[in-house]
Amino acid sequence: NAGVIQTPRHKVTGKGQEATLWCEPISGHSAVFWYRQTIVQGLEFLTYFRNQAPIDDSGMPKERFSAQMPNQSHSTLKIQSTQPQDSAVYLCASSRDGNSDYTFGSGTRLLVI
Amino acid sequence: AQSVTQPDARVTVSEGASLQLRCKYSSSGTPYLFWYVQYPRQGLQLLLKYYSGDPVVQGVNGFEAEFSKSNSSFHLRKASVHWSDSAVYFCVLSAEGTGGLSGKLTFGEGTQVTVIS
Repeated sequence: NAGVIQTPRHKVTGKGQEATLWCEPISGHSAVFWYRQTIVQGLEFLTYFRNQAPIDDSGMPKERFSAQMPNQSHSTLKIQSTQPQDSAVYLCASSRDGNSDYTFGSGTRLLVI
Repeated sequence: AQSVTQPDARVTVSEGASLQLRCKYSSSGTPYLFWYVQYPRQGLQLLLKYYSGDPVVQGVNGFEAEFSKSNSSFHLRKASVHWSDSAVYFCVLSAEGTGGLSGKLTFGEGTQVTVIS
């Protein structure tokens, strides 16, 4: 069990460019979550999938951010036209069914310059 | 609305001494509570969880926590800390939703613990 795998570990992108972050949940886990961590805001919920279907995206900024889960083995978080304020650690977590323990990945550290 | 408050941003403790980290929560539904630890440049690791039953729950590495519904608290304790316990500790709440846990976690601000020799 390799745990939740997030790639890349680090990403530097120029202002206005697009960034795509990848998450591979633990095999057999049907729920996938995305969180954002910054010094100022702490850990914030972004979005949540169960069985690949979006369940709750109430934390997603309405513009520029989107998330997909095209199959049970990976999810992506895409940020269009990145801005410096998007700089953060983006954490992905998975859970067997959304009702049990959550396992977090090591995160992707995004820096927008 | 639900919230989690960790009133202590930083705690410094001597190696071998006891540790208590405070956590207060607010939830309109049945609270499901967790403590996670984050080591530098790493993800979050689960220490322990409370769903129901005995209010004192045991976790990994000698940690335990006590749930109090009357005080809306879920404090974390360890009898004797080691230098490797230096990390950031998060109290986390998942409120009850349709079909069980809501699936959406609310994090406290975190407490930075530094263990000194």
